[in-house]
Amino acid sequence: EVQLLESGGGLVQPGGSLRLSCAASGFTFSSYAMTWVRQAPGKGLEWVSGISAGGTRTYYADSVKGRFTISRDNSKNTLFLQMNSLTAGDTAVYYCAKRAGYSSSWPYDSWGQGTLVTVSS
Amino acid sequence: DIQLTQSPSFLSASVGDRVTITCRASQGISTSLAWYQQKPGKAPKFLIYVASTLQTGVPSRFSGSGSGTEFTLTISSLQPEDFATYYCQQLNSYPETFGPGTKVDIK
Repeated sequence: EVQLLESGGGLVQPGGSLRLSCAASGFTFSSYAMTWVRQAPGKGLEWVSGISAGGTRTYYADSVKGRFTISRDNSKNTLFLQMNSLTAGDTAVYYCAKRAGYSSSWPYDSWGQGTLVTVSS
Repeated sequence: DIQLTQSPSFLSASVGDRVTITCRASQGISTSLAWYQQKPGKAPKFLIYVASTLQTGVPSRFSGSGSGTEFTLTISSLQPEDFATYYCQQLNSYPETFGPGTKVDIK
């Protein structure tokens, strides 16, 4: 059974940093692209960042480019999101998700439970 | 970046109703579109990919169609468990944007 478990969320002051982790199990982690999607309270889904299976290609939403860094450790089956220069607009539940297939046309079939990031003074 | 719009943003319907949600892309994306269902406090659930192919286990009352810039999600006979928010997502290019969502509520 595929499992994705996010951690690292919490309360941080504006301008601060957080590192989110997503521990994966139940599938060959190194074979699948992964993504982070966030959802602000009461709002819709926002795609944040994606990374290829091997970790060599990364992609970002304009809203986080230059502040967030996605990475992965395939030896430890873990996905990361380093978030710097946080603002109140980054307050959201952050989900990690696994692409359903090997090509970029596949959507995301497995999602974690989400971790809440609150940016406030 | 490709923008997605959805209509309506909210709809009120009864059990047994036929429901159609439209997703429009700001430029052509072929059939690189997926639909998700999300219930309050839960992660999204993937329903349909490449615009019209049902994910395994998704009831056949759900269907998708479209290509290019206009897509639809249809629920042929709404069931109590279908009351949720539905999102489209384009997978044609990065960033893989989502539509703003359509909330389906009980009339």
